Amino acid sequence: DTAVSQTPKYLVTQMGNDKSIKCEQNLGHDTMYWYKQDSKKFLKIMFSYNNKELIINETVPNRFSPKSPDKAHLNLHINSLELGDSAVYFCASSQTGRLEKLFFGSGTQLSVL
Amino acid sequence: SQQGEEDPQALSIQEGENATMNCSYKASINNLQWYRQNSGRGLVHLILIRSNEREKHSGRLRVTLDTSKKSSSLLITASRAADTASYFCATVLSGTYKYIFGTGTRLKVLA
Repeated sequence: DTAVSQTPKYLVTQMGNDKSIKCEQNLGHDTMYWYKQDSKKFLKIMFSYNNKELIINETVPNRFSPKSPDKAHLNLHINSLELGDSAVYFCASSQTGRLEKLFFGSGTQLSVL
Repeated sequence: SQQGEEDPQALSIQEGENATMNCSYKASINNLQWYRQNSGRGLVHLILIRSNEREKHSGRLRVTLDTSKKSSSLLITASRAADTASYFCATVLSGTYKYIFGTGTRLKVLA
């Protein structure tokens, strides 16, 4: 069983479209994250939820909206996609309070044409 | 930017040699972690060192931490072709749940 799973793995879409990426973890963790990895491999934190509550919201355009229906799921919806949104998006989870390792999904490669 | 810096950006060595990569960070930290990323995959946790520790070992990995210099190093001994990957340090900022990643070192181990 995959601990942190993301879908889809690849997403190719036109500028201006709206798309969603889904993430689920079966580790029983209560904190989940979205990271963006650009073409230079820089990883930047975007959002974090703890028990469905937003606890980290970095400087991200408001076209990006995370949603956490329960503590095992964290989805990312992106409106009006732009060329600069092309990147690999990673979901991760951890157990709050322990500040130990993050478990990552395998990533979603988003290409905006 | 809070992002840490790693050097070298890229490293190419022969199988059996040791690989050392360095990480510098900016803020006060709770702990520092190292992750590996194989091409096209997610990051995998390797080792964690707490702010009150100076050195830690795990198999062929040795990590050091110097909080006065805000720096860490990762040593991989007796490298193998399978160690070829990108390596990232990550710091957890004190008082937060924010994991900040370094810029990464791309390691290539030649067979």
